[in-house]
Amino acid sequence: GAVVSQHPSWVICKSGTSVKIECRSLDFQATTMFWYRQFPKQSLMLMATSNEGSKATYEQGVEKDKFLINHASLTLSTLTVTSAHPEDSSFYICSARGGGGYGYTFGSGTRLTVV
Amino acid sequence: SQQGEEDPQALSIQEGENATMNCSYKTSINNLQWYRQNSGRGLVHLILIRSNEREKHSGRLRVTLDTSKKSSSLLITASRAADTASYFCATDLRLGSGTYKYIFGTGTRLKVLA
Repeated sequence: GAVVSQHPSWVICKSGTSVKIECRSLDFQATTMFWYRQFPKQSLMLMATSNEGSKATYEQGVEKDKFLINHASLTLSTLTVTSAHPEDSSFYICSARGGGGYGYTFGSGTRLTVV
Repeated sequence: SQQGEEDPQALSIQEGENATMNCSYKTSINNLQWYRQNSGRGLVHLILIRSNEREKHSGRLRVTLDTSKKSSSLLITASRAADTASYFCATDLRLGSGTYKYIFGTGTRLKVLA
């Protein structure tokens, strides 16, 4: 079946540094990818919708200059958390539309810890 | 943004009992899906129900959809300790110009006691 590969699965970084998370669709093309953030014991909150070849659409309250999304090809979208702070520590999950019977395939998530 | 509100937020039952979780949403949908998530892990897709369907079964899972009430329910029968997890509904929203949005509900934390 369709697979979305998300890397890294976990990362620890220092405050003020930037972290890049990759989401790659394997064996299918994903014109649209979604990025979510999940805090402990909470649901997945949609951060932005990433469309190949165009600017990402950010949800209200999500800082586009802090969370840079690049969807340069039909199989790769990246989320860069810039100038990370401890409050950015969270579980980040990507999803690609397409490739499966129900249309959405999820990455395994990235646990970001900012110290 | 959150599309779906789920209740209860938390549910604790004994093994063998049935667990029912409800999801309400706000706008018209193409389909609704249920997911399971073990603590700190990724999502596991459980079942999809399309907007023109009213009920679907998969093993011990039964999902209903009432589009007039904009609500769905997930029933897990004969629960097991291994069913302990968080359960989320998610709705597929078709926006204009062929774009889509995929929104999750607030989730129900289920604990099945052995």
